[in-house]
Amino acid sequence: SYELTQPPSVSVSPGQTARITCSGDALPKQYAYWYQQKPGQAPVLVIYKDSERPSGIPERFSGSSSGTTVTLTISGVQAEDEADYYCQSADSSGTYEVFGGGTKLTVL
Amino acid sequence: EVQLVESGGGLVQPGGSLRLSCAASGFTFSSYWMHWVRQAPGKGLVWVSRINSDGSSTSYADSVKGRFTISRDNAKNTLYLQMNSLRAEDTAVYYCARASYGYHIWGQGTLVTVSS
Repeated sequence: SYELTQPPSVSVSPGQTARITCSGDALPKQYAYWYQQKPGQAPVLVIYKDSERPSGIPERFSGSSSGTTVTLTISGVQAEDEADYYCQSADSSGTYEVFGGGTKLTVL
Repeated sequence: EVQLVESGGGLVQPGGSLRLSCAASGFTFSSYWMHWVRQAPGKGLVWVSRINSDGSSTSYADSVKGRFTISRDNAKNTLYLQMNSLRAEDTAVYYCARASYGYHIWGQGTLVTVSS
């Protein structure tokens, strides 16, 4: 079955830039999406269609794509950005959706 | 206000059944594909199933295929997930989500616990 691979954890100091990667063979063909989830809360979409930002999401959140890897970048990280981040996409046929395993972002 | 509200979760014995509901409001429900996503305690998000806007096409994760059935009633603005032959590994918070180039809208989730 199709899988998306994320690093389990990323740590940064406040004000620095955090980069979270997501790798998958079908990413050149399928859009990727990124979700932020804080404890006890439902996920929130922060990036859609690889690099688009929904209304209400701060400009410090951005997305990019290169081959089989997509990247979520958080510039000028703030303490409130500490959360779990999940990438999501579809298999090459578009039949099945899949989430990455999640990355815990720690703000030191 | 655009909103999704899940209900129907609870404690069920292994092998039992449960039907989850997701009530939609604040948008034209019949225009959107809808999905179910689950999250086991302390674990990551897992896609479960999806249904197209008129209910004519569905898709399931391999882990639930043949046991779960997704459906919708556009007249009642409600999405359903019928879960049969439940297993301990189905224990999770189940979220419904509105799909349109990503899950822009999520419900608050409903907890399903499968245990004897």
